Amino acid sequence: RKEVEQDPGPFNVPEGATVAFNCTYSNSASQSFFWYRQDCRKEPKLLMSIYSSGNEDGRFTAQLNRASQYISLLIRDSKLSDSATYLCVVKPQGGYNKLIFGAGTRLAVHP
Amino acid sequence: GAVVSQHPSRVICKSGTSVKIECRSLDFQATTMFWYRQFPKQSLMLMATSNEGSKATYEQGVEKDKFLINHASLTLSTLTVTSAHPEDSSFYICSARDLLEGDSYEQYFGPGTRLTVT
Repeated sequence: RKEVEQDPGPFNVPEGATVAFNCTYSNSASQSFFWYRQDCRKEPKLLMSIYSSGNEDGRFTAQLNRASQYISLLIRDSKLSDSATYLCVVKPQGGYNKLIFGAGTRLAVHP
Repeated sequence: GAVVSQHPSRVICKSGTSVKIECRSLDFQATTMFWYRQFPKQSLMLMATSNEGSKATYEQGVEKDKFLINHASLTLSTLTVTSAHPEDSSFYICSARDLLEGDSYEQYFGPGTRLTVT
């Protein structure tokens, strides 16, 4: 079983739609959780760090359920510029701040 | 702030040759840098953790004699792919932690190097 699992998509949605991505992780001792965004052939960029059970930043809401080992990202009012791959990232306990990346969920927002 | 550069951005080499990729933190000092590899449509896989002044820590399955890492200063780590083969063709990305950010887990990523071995 992969340490971090995501639905690869693609999710094809119209502008203005609300879309949600899910992620599960296998290591119950994981400490920190993040969503990164990666554009095609570019490096990943931090979108959100997830604190406590979740947090919101503008149109983006991330939630964490430690009991179910489940993370989600909700994007409201999708923009064309939101088209990218969204990476669920987990930091396991210990280990030089090592990050474990999911394979990503691809989002395509169309006019 | 927190900019990481990589050089080269793209390299094509012949099978059997060696390629060196540089990762630099431009406006901060990094005691720890990370090297990742990403194959098409797959996740970033951590190859090794590079610590300034000491030997790198390699992930399971990564050949340390093939992927040589040197972290000689607080702003520079290099990855050398020795005797490259076509299966080494991939997107190599480095990241760095800011020495002054203490327990922050944030890593700043370089723009990546696309290696093609012919």
